[in-house]
Amino acid sequence: AIRMTQSPSSFSASTGDRVTITCRASQGISSYLAWYQQKPGKAPKLLIYAASTLQSGVPSRFSGSGSGTDFTLTISCLQSEDFATYYCQQYYSYPWSTFGQGTKLEIK
Amino acid sequence: EVQLVESGGGLVQPGGSLRLSCAASGFTFSSYWMSWVRQAPGKGLEWVANIKQDGSEKYYVDSVKGRFTISRDNAKNSLYLQMNSLRAEDTAVYYCARDPLIRNDCSGGSCYADYWGQGTLVTVSS
Repeated sequence: AIRMTQSPSSFSASTGDRVTITCRASQGISSYLAWYQQKPGKAPKLLIYAASTLQSGVPSRFSGSGSGTDFTLTISCLQSEDFATYYCQQYYSYPWSTFGQGTKLEIK
Repeated sequence: EVQLVESGGGLVQPGGSLRLSCAASGFTFSSYWMSWVRQAPGKGLEWVANIKQDGSEKYYVDSVKGRFTISRDNAKNSLYLQMNSLRAEDTAVYYCARDPLIRNDCSGGSCYADYWGQGTLVTVSS
């Protein structure tokens, strides 16, 4: 199975900061990558798919990039509601997909 | 408004069975692939199974093959997960999730999920 590794596993930042989360695939996955946001006790929410396409309704401060094995999620100007855990997911492998271990973003 | 509401979770002994349901509304259920994804307490997400619109294709993660069965009833707008021979490591919140309608950005049976239910907790313990 394709292994997805996120870094860092957790970090703290301040409102207004620009932050970047990295996701690395154990083999090439083209652009078959999605990013989700999850808040405690809530379901994941789709942010980005196809590595860089913003899901409808998601604020433009979120952006994604990358292809092959290395991907990034960037939040350009952190808002209070952005403190959450973020997951990447590859859906290149067939028939099942795999997720990264998650990156917890906390308030500094 | 798209809604996915899971039910059927609870406490079950190892080796027992449970059937999860997911009631869908706000969209044409029969037009979408659907999935189950789980999350063990304090852990990350794990894709479990998915099913094609007409039920003709079903896929499972290796750890549940032969024990879990995904199914759907398009007339009732419902998705199901029959779980048999449950183990402690199956303890998790189980989410029902919808694949996107247009699967141009997907790879065969594998895709991302654009809507998720709130989940139902399954606890396997004696």
